[in-house]
Amino acid sequence: DTAVSQTPKYLVTQMGNDKSIKCEQNLGHDTMYWYKQDSKKFLKIMFSYNNKELIINETVPNRFSPKSPDKAHLNLHINSLELGDSAVYFCASSAPGFGGGETQYFGPGTRLLVL
Amino acid sequence: SQQGEEDPQALSIQEGENATMNCSYKTSINNLQWYRQNSGRGLVHLILIRSNEREKHSGRLRVTLDTSKKSSSLLITASRAADTASYFCAHNSGGYQKVTFGTGTKLQVIP
Repeated sequence: DTAVSQTPKYLVTQMGNDKSIKCEQNLGHDTMYWYKQDSKKFLKIMFSYNNKELIINETVPNRFSPKSPDKAHLNLHINSLELGDSAVYFCASSAPGFGGGETQYFGPGTRLLVL
Repeated sequence: SQQGEEDPQALSIQEGENATMNCSYKTSINNLQWYRQNSGRGLVHLILIRSNEREKHSGRLRVTLDTSKKSSSLLITASRAADTASYFCAHNSGGYQKVTFGTGTKLQVIP
């Protein structure tokens, strides 16, 4: 079974639409993340939740709203999509460890294309 | 930006040769990690080295860490075509559970 799964794998949509990406992990981890990877392959953290609580919220437009119904799920809702939102979005999870920021387990990514 | 930098940006070698990638960062760290990303896939963790360690091995991988120079290197020995991928370093600087990724090195191993 896939440890970190994301749906959908591909998402093509028009500018101005609202869309959601779902993520689930079956590793029993307490911490989950959303990353954005742009066309130059730069990977930047967007949000992190620990046990359903938001702990990292980088400089992300408030059109992006994460939701964690339980510690195994972290969804990402995007309102009023813009062309610049086109990217690959990765979900990841990690277990707590000494000093924090331990090994990240990544999902396969969701390729979002805004037309 | 606290994003780490890697060099080279791209590296092309023949199968059987060794590949060395370097990573530099700007802050003090708790640990540094290396990841591999095959084209169109998610990142896969390779190795984690803590700030009090200087060298770590895993199979054909060797990672070094020099905290005085704020740098790390990843050596892949006896490279294989299957090692073709992008490699990223990532560091944890103490921000709770936050890991900052470098810019990546794209490695091509020619059979």
